[in-house]
Amino acid sequence: KQEVTQIPAALSVPEGENLVLNCSFTDSAIYNLQWFRQDPGKGLTSLLLIQSSQREQTSGRLNASLDKSSGRSTLYIAASQPGDSATYLCAVPGNTGKLIFGQGTTLQVKP
Amino acid sequence: EAGVAQSPRYKIIEKRQSVAFWCNPISGHATLYWYQQILGQGPKLLIQFQNNGVVDDSQLPKDRFSAERLKGVDSTLKIQPAKLEDSAVYLCASSLELALEGAQYFGPGTRLLVL
Repeated sequence: KQEVTQIPAALSVPEGENLVLNCSFTDSAIYNLQWFRQDPGKGLTSLLLIQSSQREQTSGRLNASLDKSSGRSTLYIAASQPGDSATYLCAVPGNTGKLIFGQGTTLQVKP
Repeated sequence: EAGVAQSPRYKIIEKRQSVAFWCNPISGHATLYWYQQILGQGPKLLIQFQNNGVVDDSQLPKDRFSAERLKGVDSTLKIQPAKLEDSAVYLCASSLELALEGAQYFGPGTRLLVL
């Protein structure tokens, strides 16, 4: 049974810092891994999707890496801004395509 | 392209009452998902439809929750009777097919508070 874990549960950093969010999964036979952002009271916004054949994906200040063999993914945020404050979730698809989520990391970037 | 639509956005009810949520997926998306997100946790699948058929409802509390997608387009999720522990955000998502290689797109969610 696939399980997804995110560490840390919460993170507070000063503006301008580079930071890394961690995601681990127990079954390495995944098709892809997706990172989402969730603002308070809002739905989920997809940030990056990494296919199983890829090692990383980049979008602006965001870079996501995937290491299937070790069951890990990281989301790197460069030069963090207060607008980056949100909850970040990672997810992998189960055998029917449903997404299995981690519990999320709540990020606060202080001005 | 219009996104996934959900209504209502917020609902407050008392325990033992009934409530229904509505979702309209992205046009042309065959697969529709309902997730429950309890505060501080990641979303968990309640039910998954492929067109108007159920693919996975293993985590749906069938004694109180029901869902339908009669015409293979929009969907309704119902809770009857509601319990305090049903307080959560209910997220609807859709994908083009089973999306093992593609992305799911999420609606804004319905926040339910059971008093």
